[in-house]
Amino acid sequence: GAVVSQHPSRVICKSGTSVKIECRSLDFQATTMFWYRQFPKKSLMLMATSNEGSKATYEQGVEKDKFLINHASLTLSTLTVTSAHPEDSSFYICSARTGMAYGYTFGSGTRLTVV
Amino acid sequence: EDQVTQSPEALRLQEGESSSLNCSYTVSGLRGLFWYRQDPGKGPEFLFTLYSAGEEKEKERLKATLTKKESFLHITAPKPEDSATYLCAVQAGTALIFGKGTTLSVSS
Repeated sequence: GAVVSQHPSRVICKSGTSVKIECRSLDFQATTMFWYRQFPKKSLMLMATSNEGSKATYEQGVEKDKFLINHASLTLSTLTVTSAHPEDSSFYICSARTGMAYGYTFGSGTRLTVV
Repeated sequence: EDQVTQSPEALRLQEGESSSLNCSYTVSGLRGLFWYRQDPGKGPEFLFTLYSAGEEKEKERLKATLTKKESFLHITAPKPEDSATYLCAVQAGTALIFGKGTTLSVSS
């Protein structure tokens, strides 16, 4: 139980275009989801907390207009990277609280490359 | 400020050579300390949650312990398949704050 599905696993886009990443909770309802960013050989950095039916809460230094988060249902949160640039290339990972013994479950991640 | 520091950054072991990974933390009111395993290009995979000092949990060759200031992940008789990055995180508010991880390489 408590599976989080993230799609796509890899995406390459041209500079200036937008990319949407989906995060779904498959067998539970997630009122809160989290989006992280991970640079090579670095830790996961929390970008924002996504709450179903309300605006996301962004961490300091994260551009709200560049990283649009929508959490329209109890099983789906999306992250849209708008007007992507090469410096946005990174590994993006979503997570959801399960309320079970293991607390937080993570998606498999999305490798974004902007060329 | 909530902070998690892991050491060492990298660890190389021979198969069967036991060792420990350290995670020291500063957090205002610990609500949970988490250990995850991450393979290259994958999301973190849950290992353990510890909530109070003195708590211990085991799973196969791994054992996690917790004190008021740090946690240890003990690896007994590791195998090559244990090679991965091990991440420690603390719950701060509703989200997790991660350390930089320890990359473990086990050679046969």
